[in-house]
Amino acid sequence: NAGVTQTPKFRILKIGQSMTLQCTQDMNHNYMYWYRQDPGMGLKLIYYSVGAGITDKGEVPNGYNVSRSTTEDFPLRLELAAPSQTSVYFCASSADRVLNTEAFFGQGTRLTVV
Amino acid sequence: AQKVTQAQTEISVVEKEDVTLDCVYETRDTTYYLFWYKQPPSGELVFLIRRNSFDEQNEISGRYSWNFQKSTSSFNFTITASQVVDSAVYFCALSGTSYGKLTFGQGTILTVHP
Repeated sequence: NAGVTQTPKFRILKIGQSMTLQCTQDMNHNYMYWYRQDPGMGLKLIYYSVGAGITDKGEVPNGYNVSRSTTEDFPLRLELAAPSQTSVYFCASSADRVLNTEAFFGQGTRLTVV
Repeated sequence: AQKVTQAQTEISVVEKEDVTLDCVYETRDTTYYLFWYKQPPSGELVFLIRRNSFDEQNEISGRYSWNFQKSTSSFNFTITASQVVDSAVYFCALSGTSYGKLTFGQGTILTVHP
């Protein structure tokens, strides 16, 4: 019963490097989300997807890209890493848009850009 | 736009004290959902409760209780007889009908001393 799995758990990037944060869920959820959590702050929505092939921007999308080719996977791409992207990233999924259920969160990816 | 405000940034109590975490929200949606999540030092997000906007009944689950008052747009969380294991960051969150996207408060750091 894996739920939402994120990889890697930790990563250090140099400024200008690129990387992909992986997120997979095995609950057949249509809705998936990427949030970032800055120190002392709540989570902010980066991108979300309502189904395979459909993505949309959240509150803080600049510097990121996403794709959703399958129901299970929702990778987050950083093309040119910047120190401002140092954060903890959480992927989440939910079954229902009206959210008569809770969002299931992954364990998080702690990213440091130096 | 939605907004969630948690009045306390940090709370420190001694074990067995009762503690209340405040949450005030703003939304224009007539149907919405309120959540509390716990983030222990290990970093994952643990779902505690979901409440929809049509259900103003208070809820009790063991040592946890929640007070939802629509008239004051508040959804407060009380821990009775706190324990050291309750030490964590607690987030209040709000979801309207827009694809289940969550708006988080900034979190309250609760420290319970033995």
